[in-house]
Amino acid sequence: QVQMVESGGGVVQPGGSLRLSCAASGFTFSSYGMHWVRQAPGKGLEWVAFIRFDESFKGYADSVKGRFTISRDNSKNTLYLQMNSLRPEDTAIYYCGGIWFGPNPDYWGQGTLVSVSS
Amino acid sequence: EIVLTQSPGTLSLSPGERATLSCRASQSVSGNYLAWYQHKPGQAPRLLIYGASSRATGIPDRFSASGSGTDFTLTISRLEPEDFAVYYCQLHDWSPFTFGPGTKVDIK
Repeated sequence: QVQMVESGGGVVQPGGSLRLSCAASGFTFSSYGMHWVRQAPGKGLEWVAFIRFDESFKGYADSVKGRFTISRDNSKNTLYLQMNSLRPEDTAIYYCGGIWFGPNPDYWGQGTLVSVSS
Repeated sequence: EIVLTQSPGTLSLSPGERATLSCRASQSVSGNYLAWYQHKPGQAPRLLIYGASSRATGIPDRFSASGSGTDFTLTISRLEPEDFAVYYCQLHDWSPFTFGPGTKVDIK
């Protein structure tokens, strides 16, 4: 049974930090490129960050570059998103996703809410 | 950087009708690496199509897609009640994996 369990969301003041985690099970996590995608209230999906299966490449949206860091621990089947210098516009539901863009299925977490407010 | 636009913004249709959604890129999409997603409130996104026209695992054949270069189309041949949702196109060649703004398909 595939599971992607996200944690680490919550309320934080502007300028603060949070670390999101996404624990995967039931599929070969170490073979998948992993993404973070977010949806702000009333808005569409926004791609945030990507990490290649072997950590050889990391990519970021311009809106988070220099503030967010994606990482993974394949020995623990866990994806992370370190979010620093948070802004109110970072308020969103954050989803982790393992996407093959091929014949293998995609896997998603249930989403975790991050709220940046004073 | 490639910008994606989607039209229409909202499509109001009845179950059983055909839905045609458009995604246009500001530049030619390399290798036609374009994906389509379905997203329902309170749920995670679901990959429908990759490579412009290949159905993802487990996606019903009423979903089809086509296109190349800058113009892409997602077609739902006969809308089922569970198909009413927001649909996004996304570049998936390489970073940034930009999403389009989405098309909402709602019940007429």
